[in-house]
Amino acid sequence: EAGVAQSPRYKIIEKRQSVAFWCNPISGHATLYWYQQILGQGPKLLIQFQNNGVVDDSQLPKDRFSAERLKGVDSTLKIQPAKLEDSAVYLCASSPERLALNEQFFGPGTRLTVL
Amino acid sequence: GENVEQHPSTLSVQEGDSAVIKCTYSDSASNYFPWYKQELGKRPQLIIDIRSNVGEKKDQRIAVTLNKTAKHFSLHITETQPEDSAVYFCAASNSGGSNYKLTFGKGTLLTVNP
Repeated sequence: EAGVAQSPRYKIIEKRQSVAFWCNPISGHATLYWYQQILGQGPKLLIQFQNNGVVDDSQLPKDRFSAERLKGVDSTLKIQPAKLEDSAVYLCASSPERLALNEQFFGPGTRLTVL
Repeated sequence: GENVEQHPSTLSVQEGDSAVIKCTYSDSASNYFPWYKQELGKRPQLIIDIRSNVGEKKDQRIAVTLNKTAKHFSLHITETQPEDSAVYFCAASNSGGSNYKLTFGKGTLLTVNP
């Protein structure tokens, strides 16, 4: 099966600019996650969708970050305006179910550099 | 919320030796503990997981043990090979209630020297 797709793979912007990332999960996977992975750290969950509804966004900095999952398939994560500390790899993952203990399949990530 | 501590942060072993990475968690309700391997510049990939109703699980050269009383779990890699070199992350999750998300440790950089 095809894996989780993300684009772009790399993005360099200046602080205060805006940026958007796109994720296409594995076909049929109901749950989609966005993680932020700062260099040298483990992934940190930003937001979790079940189909097109948000089930956890407690760690999403809502003053600058937003995410949506239209039609319960693709998702976009936006940062506006970006700060230096937003430099990280943004990983998208999907899994078949939310409450069941299922493997999360990760995409290749988008490496964001904020100058 | 859940807090996962992982040790050591770096580990260097000789090819053929064993490697052990340890994690502790804070939420006694956590019941799912996966381990991910991330090679440089690549995505994390699940290598093994364990559920709270099991104390040990093995898959070829990889094994995971879980001690729910002490709230810690460990990854054991035997007969290490250079291709085992990567960053390994442990994680914990609770499938019930509202705290179902995966909380990751900070990772262990494993280097296997030929």
